[in-house]
Amino acid sequence: SQELEQSPQSLIVQEGKNLTINCTSSKTLYGLYWYKQKYGEGLIFLMMLQKGGEEKSHEKITAKLDEKKQQSSLHITASQPSHAGIYLCGADIHGTASKLTFGTGTRLQVTL
Amino acid sequence: DAGITQSPRHKVTETGTPVTLRCHQTENHRYMYWYRQDPGHGLRLIHYSYGVKDTDKGEVSDGYSVSRSKTEDFLLTLESATSSQTSVYFCAIGSLVGGTEAFFGQGTRLTVV
Repeated sequence: SQELEQSPQSLIVQEGKNLTINCTSSKTLYGLYWYKQKYGEGLIFLMMLQKGGEEKSHEKITAKLDEKKQQSSLHITASQPSHAGIYLCGADIHGTASKLTFGTGTRLQVTL
Repeated sequence: DAGITQSPRHKVTETGTPVTLRCHQTENHRYMYWYRQDPGHGLRLIHYSYGVKDTDKGEVSDGYSVSRSKTEDFLLTLESATSSQTSVYFCAIGSLVGGTEAFFGQGTRLTVV
């Protein structure tokens, strides 16, 4: 089983709607990264969370870290076609601060 | 964009041949990583390096070797390519210490026929 589970695996939303993607770890989270990947391209760094309760925002994307639940959520407000892609969470779950373990990704489509 | 370049970007090779992928950085990061990305598996760590000549295995290291003779270059070698190694390979740089960003290259699409 995956050490990092993302849900949902895929999502289709209408433009303008809000959405949330979750990333849940089976182990303690020492740091969590969110990335976006456009089809066939590399990963683009979105944000990084380190402390329990931490919340960061960039444009219309907000990420939160719930240390107790070993979970992070990524929320997109008023989705746009430019938000379409694959969202990946990566985490330091070994406490070594040396490598990231990734979830399998959430594929987001935004319809007009 | 972070100064990280992967080469080649695309390669088709035959089963049983050795293949080397190159990752080059201009950011002087201590840590470099090789991942592979496959449908249903996400990104999986192959090998990583924490300094010149210092490397360690990831979760899917069988059939792969790496070398880092200088800070800026991290090479991934498939000793004898197999069809199961058909994948998209990503290099990443960055230290997780202090919560710094980890940057990814554009990927190398490798097909083993």
